[in-house]
Amino acid sequence: EAQVTQNPRYLITVTGKKLTVTCSQNMNHEYMSWYRQDPGLGLRQIYYSMNVEVTDKGDVPEGYKVSRKEKRNFPLILESPSPNQTSLYFCASSWSTGDNEQFFGPGTRLTVL
Amino acid sequence: GENVEQHPSTLSVQEGDSAVIKCTYSDSASNYFPWYKQELGKRPQLIIDIRSNVGEKKDQRIAVTLNKTAKHFSLHITETQPEDSAVYFCAANTGGFKTIFGAGTRLFVKA
Repeated sequence: EAQVTQNPRYLITVTGKKLTVTCSQNMNHEYMSWYRQDPGLGLRQIYYSMNVEVTDKGDVPEGYKVSRKEKRNFPLILESPSPNQTSLYFCASSWSTGDNEQFFGPGTRLTVL
Repeated sequence: GENVEQHPSTLSVQEGDSAVIKCTYSDSASNYFPWYKQELGKRPQLIIDIRSNVGEKKDQRIAVTLNKTAKHFSLHITETQPEDSAVYFCAANTGGFKTIFGAGTRLFVKA
């Protein structure tokens, strides 16, 4: 089954404790992206990746890191989480570029205390 | 930078009526305009999209129109049903890699 998976689905952590949210897709998509969803603000793009070892900033990259060592995986790293990073996070993937349908993962709800 | 404004933020209609959601974008280089539906507790899913070389596109009860001159695009849902109740997001992409989403419209369809 073609899908995008994320782990964990729910996470409660404390300020400053490094964490990683994993994202994996099995559709051989070149393009992957991370978004955060906050009430009244819609989906805001954090980082995206055009292919292996090629990443770039979206609109809200501060406080986040990403890596793309393999085509199927695109982890999101919060090196020192803060309460303002409490949000619902979605990973997405699509064929060659962002101007195609994006397939979203199930979401990760993160709470930083 | 690119900005996408979406209106209204909330829309309530009677079952069977039509619903219209409007978006405006700022970057004239934008050329791909998808619409995503997000049901409660679920992930966003594409329902329809349009590219800048097309003015209108239909898929059964949903349609999207694009006015490139005015930088407007709209989602039209006819004969609404309770299962259309969800949050709808418009988005714009410049043909590259950045996608800018609107803030979303919560649609309620009353039976």
